[in-house]
Amino acid sequence: EPEVTQTPSHQVTQMGQEVILRCVPISNHLYFYWYRQILGQKVEFLVSFYNNEISEKSEIFDDQFSVERPDGSNFTLKIRSTKLEDSAMYFCASSEGPSRFYEQYFGPGTRLTVT
Amino acid sequence: GIQVEQSPPDLILQEGANSTLRCNFSDSVNNLQWFHQNPWGQLINLFYIPSGTKQNGRLSATTVATERYSLLYISSSQTTDSGVYFCAVTDSWGKLQFGAGTQVVVTP
Repeated sequence: EPEVTQTPSHQVTQMGQEVILRCVPISNHLYFYWYRQILGQKVEFLVSFYNNEISEKSEIFDDQFSVERPDGSNFTLKIRSTKLEDSAMYFCASSEGPSRFYEQYFGPGTRLTVT
Repeated sequence: GIQVEQSPPDLILQEGANSTLRCNFSDSVNNLQWFHQNPWGQLINLFYIPSGTKQNGRLSATTVATERYSLLYISSSQTTDSGVYFCAVTDSWGKLQFGAGTQVVVTP
C-alpha cells in the first residue's frame, strides 16, 4: 500500500541553525500539507500546498518557514533559524484531491529537537 | 474556526473491555478522520468517515454529521490499542482541525 515517507525520523539541531525536513508524498497525490505537534499537545496545521504554491498557511507559519517541491517527488519544509519552541513532531500529509472531500494520509513524522 | 472536542480525555481499560470515544464538532464539516497515535508518535489513519458507519476489525466508527458528532468504538481491547486517539475535521478551507485527543491505556 502506498504511504507517505519522511526523513529524517529524528533531527537534533542547535538554536539558530537551518533545518530541512523532507517528505515523499503518495505518488498520485496533488495536495500536500505540513502539521506539527508540540509534545503533549494537539496536532496543528502549518501549511497546505497545491500546484506549486501555498494554498493556505496558519499564524505559526511565519517568515522563518518555507515549503518547496523541488522535484516531482519530494516536498520539503525549511526552518531558517530554529528556535527552542520549534521543537516538535512535524508531520507531512498528502491527499489525492481537495482535503474537503479526500482523505489525508500522514507520514510517520520527524521529531525535531532544538537545543 | 471549527471547534473539535473529544471525550473522555483519558480512559483506562482492562484488556478485553469495550469502549466508546466521542468527538463533537461545532460546525458542519465535509470530512472527518480518526487517527491513532502510537507510543512512537506515529499517526495511523483509522477511518475516513464524513458520515455513516464503518468497521475495521475490532474498531468501528459512526459519524452523524447532522448532529455534529462522531463515535469510535473499540471492542475487545488489547494492550496494542494503547495510545492517543485523535478526531480531525476539515474546515471550509480544507485543513484538518484536530481535537485534543483521548489518551487510552489498556492494562493486561
